[in-house]
Amino acid sequence: SQTIHQWPATLVQPVGSPLSLECTVEGTSNPNLYWYRQAAGRGLQLLFYSVGIGQISSEVPQNLSASRPQDRQFILSSKKLLLSDSGFYLCACLNWRAYNEQFFGPGTRLTVL
Amino acid sequence: SQQGEEDPQALSIQEGENATMNCSYKTSINNLQWYRQNSGRGLVHLILIRSNEREKHSGRLRVTLDTSKKSSSLLITASRAADTASYFCATRGSNYKLTFGKGTLLTVNP
Repeated sequence: SQTIHQWPATLVQPVGSPLSLECTVEGTSNPNLYWYRQAAGRGLQLLFYSVGIGQISSEVPQNLSASRPQDRQFILSSKKLLLSDSGFYLCACLNWRAYNEQFFGPGTRLTVL
Repeated sequence: SQQGEEDPQALSIQEGENATMNCSYKTSINNLQWYRQNSGRGLVHLILIRSNEREKHSGRLRVTLDTSKKSSSLLITASRAADTASYFCATRGSNYKLTFGKGTLLTVNP
């Protein structure tokens, strides 16, 4: 079965600092990977998705970027954080064998001060 | 743009009662999925219903889909305190992206 790891679990960063959140997947190969952001009391906003190494699709213009250096690694980055980047960041993986349900990681709570 | 919209935004019931949450969407879908999120945690997939299905059951969960009305409902029967969580519907169209609603916060009081 698939397992998604995210770290760190929580992060407090000052405005203007860089960001790197990592997501790794076990138990599958060549997965579709997704980064979502969830603001407090809100639904999930899709930020990026990737269908393969080096292939990134951006859903919304923003201060963030994503990279996929390896098949089962997905990284979310920023050069300079904004206050509005605060939120709960979730990485997800598509399960091809179960009619496209998504498995989610445990999330990273980011607070920008 | 937000595709699924859950209703109500919040629901509070007593243990043992049934909980019904609704989801409406705007465009044609391939399937509709319901997820659960405990506070501060990732989402967990509950059930998926395809566009050619009308009803599906999984344990105490019952999902219906009405494509003519572009709506779905999630029924949790005989609720338990452990069912307290946020519930999201998500729709998948012709691509491999899911579009999530804002969720319903369900509180089951012991």
